[in-house]
Parts: sequence; C-alpha cells; structure tokens
Amino acid sequence: NAGVTQTPKFRVLKTGQSMTLLCAQDMNHEYMYWYRQDPGMGLRLIHYSVGEGTTAKGEVPDGYNVSRLKKQNFLLGLESAAPSQTSVYFCASRVGSGELFFGEGSRLTVL
Amino acid sequence: GQQVMQIPQYQHVQEGEDFTTYCNSSTTLSNIQWYKQRPGGHPVFLIQLVKSGEVKKQKRLTFQFGEAKKNSSLHITATQTTDVGTYFCAGPDYGQNFVFGPGTRLSALP
Repeated sequence: NAGVTQTPKFRVLKTGQSMTLLCAQDMNHEYMYWYRQDPGMGLRLIHYSVGEGTTAKGEVPDGYNVSRLKKQNFLLGLESAAPSQTSVYFCASRVGSGELFFGEGSRLTVL
Repeated sequence: GQQVMQIPQYQHVQEGEDFTTYCNSSTTLSNIQWYKQRPGGHPVFLIQLVKSGEVKKQKRLTFQFGEAKKNSSLHITATQTTDVGTYFCAGPDYGQNFVFGPGTRLSALP
C-alpha cells in the first residue's frame, strides 16, 4: 500500500519551460489537493478536486493548471514556469472529513 | 477569508523542557487537526479534535480545543530530540478544504 506517491521528487526548470507533477493515490479517496510550501508561509492550497473529473481553484491558483481524469490521479501543470514558482509541492488526499494523507513532496527550482 | 494563526513561529528548547504552541482561527471551527512535519519530510497527521473543550493525549503530547472552538493548543512534556519539526494546525473552511496555520518550528538541543 503506497499511499500517496508524487513524481518527480526533484526538478530544475528554466524560466518559461513547462512541466507536470503527477500525484497518485491508491486509497480510493475522493478528495485530492495540491499545496505549495514556502519558508515561513505554511501550506497554501493551489487547486483541489472533490472527485473524478472535477477541479477547483484554491488560494494561489495563478500560473497552475490541474486535471483529474482518473480518480486515483491528480496532475499539476506549469505552462510557463517562473522563478516565483520555486517551491516544494505537496499532494494530499482524504476521504470525508478525515485526515489528509500527504505525498513526500516534489522540490521544484525555476532558474 | 478564514485565517489561521500560530504562535510562536519558532521555539528552541533544551531537551527535557516543555513546549507549547497555540493556534487561533478567525472563525469558529467544526474541528481542528494537527500535523507534524520533520525537517525535509512531509506533514503527518497527529490528531483531530471535534468537541468544544476537548482534551486528548498521545503519550507526552496534549491537545486542547477551546470552548469557543476558535483556538487550540499542543503541549509537549519533556521535549525529546525526536520531537523536532514543524507543527501545523489546520481547520476546515466553508468548502472541502483545510486552512493551515504557518506552523511552529521546534528545535531542541540534547
């Protein structure tokens, strides 16, 4: 039982490049989330999904897009990376009002 | 929008000392959750409090939910080096999301 798996774990991009972060969960959870974590700012919600085929904006959605074509996968895309998007990205999932299960994180550096 | 604050931002203790972090929400919460993140790791769920005035213990950790359900605290007795990390509280917003506080980073010297 892998839980929540994020790929890749590390990535370095140049400004303007695009990339996709993949989050996969094997717990059949309905809700999935993408957060970014920056020093001193805690976890900020980028986008979330309450079920397959649905997505919604969180607190800091600009510059990101998401898709949830399959229940177990939640993709986070950066169409044109900017240095301000250098961060650690965490995916999480949950069922009902229960606890959030986090992936191990993806560290992204944009030069 | 809803805001969740935590104090202190940082806390450095000597091993064996007690530690407390406080969490305050701008709105009344239906429940509150606490997470711990070790350095270089990911947040891991510790506990959820639901009832007004609720107190829960996990070994040396004591969690409280305020009577008005707008604040919470985490107290660690006799801190050990294994307790080092950042502690986050999180409360649900009006949708399906949790709003996280900025965290309290705990460091300890043996």
